Amino acid sequence: AQSVTQLGSHVSVSEGALVLLRCNYSSSVPPYLFWYVQYPNQGLQLLLKYTSAATLVKGINGFEAEFKKSETSFHLTKPSAHMSDAAEYFCAVLGGNEKLTFGTGTRLTIIP
Amino acid sequence: NAGVMQNPRHLVRRRGQEARLRCSPMKGHSHVYWYRQLPEEGLKFMVYLQKENIIDESGMPKERFSAEFPKEGPSILRIQQVVRGDSAAYFCASSIGQAPSNQPQHFGDGTRLSIL
Repeated sequence: AQSVTQLGSHVSVSEGALVLLRCNYSSSVPPYLFWYVQYPNQGLQLLLKYTSAATLVKGINGFEAEFKKSETSFHLTKPSAHMSDAAEYFCAVLGGNEKLTFGTGTRLTIIP
Repeated sequence: NAGVMQNPRHLVRRRGQEARLRCSPMKGHSHVYWYRQLPEEGLKFMVYLQKENIIDESGMPKERFSAEFPKEGPSILRIQQVVRGDSAAYFCASSIGQAPSNQPQHFGDGTRLSIL
């Protein structure tokens, strides 16, 4: 069975600083991995996805993630944080029968 | 807006009543998924449906919960005889569902169910 672990339920960074949100996965087969963002009282919006085409994946809003098989990681980064990036971020892996398994989420706070 | 539409956005029920949550998938999407999000937790898969078929309901509680996706109309998640523990945000997602199985699921804004 597939699973993901997000390290750090809360992350705070200063505006303009690097954002790094960690995600490690467990999968017996080559995984399909996703990052979603959730703003308050809204649904999840897809940031980016990894589908084995390229290990460095670029997404929306300046985010990117790198798939590292040796580390079983898919960390999300953004070079320079913006106030509008404050939200909750979820890493997910696609399992059998198309169901997504989500991590417990990381709440990102941006310090002015 | 051609996104996934869920209604109502907020639903309040008393213990023992029934809750009906509706989801209209994105245009062209024939696969629907329901997830539940408890406070301070991630989303948990409940059920996966295609038109008129339940494909995977391994995440659904065995009692009181049911889901359908009829040939015409929205997908419905029904919770009978609600209890306080059913209070959560319920999200619907849809996808094209064509192979390869990496088509992203697009989410609605959810229905926040509160049980009094």
